[in-house]
Amino acid sequence: DAGVIQSPRHEVTEMGQEVTLRCKPISGHDYLFWYRQTMMRGLELLIYFNNNVPIDDSGMPEDRFSAKMPNASFSTLKIQPSEPRDSAVYFCASSKPGAPIRSGNTIYFGEGSWLTVV
Amino acid sequence: SQQGEEDPQALSIQEGENATMNCSYKTSINNLQWYRQNSGRGLVHLILIRSNEREKHSGRLRVTLDTSKKSSSLLITASRAADTASYFCATVLSGNTPLVFGKGTRLSVIA
Repeated sequence: DAGVIQSPRHEVTEMGQEVTLRCKPISGHDYLFWYRQTMMRGLELLIYFNNNVPIDDSGMPEDRFSAKMPNASFSTLKIQPSEPRDSAVYFCASSKPGAPIRSGNTIYFGEGSWLTVV
Repeated sequence: SQQGEEDPQALSIQEGENATMNCSYKTSINNLQWYRQNSGRGLVHLILIRSNEREKHSGRLRVTLDTSKKSSSLLITASRAADTASYFCATVLSGNTPLVFGKGTRLSVIA
């Protein structure tokens, strides 16, 4: 199994530019999560999808952030316009069918996209 | 918002010693999971303990759960330099919410 694949691994962009992060979840997984990790705030859940439908986006910090999942094998997290405080590692993760909550399914993480906004 | 809080924030030990990390949480949980993160990598699942379990073992890992104190501990026995990483606890709240992670414990194992 290839695991969760994220791209790009590293991105440096200028303030005001649009940033698009991409994710391919593990085949057969129907939950997809976007997390953001910073030293100050730790690992924060931004949004998660079930069967390509956004379930909870309450963690999305601002309207500048948007996420889509057009099909079961692809998701994007977009920041437009980007700001220096968006600099962080963004993780995509996926989980097997069945409510991860009750069954306690493991979440599988990608290697992260390291974003620096200057 | 954080549900779990790991303690200590950082821990440095000699190879061969045992490492104990603690996690406290605030509300009722269905289960609690521990994850490991090597520097520059994603998180990897280590072990899960359900709310009706008190102790669980996996290799050199031992996890305990005390729901009355809302706390869990992760013990790594006979630590190795390769155990150097950050360790996170993650809880699944009662209800329909996904994993919420603490800020982690940074473990350094010195050879």
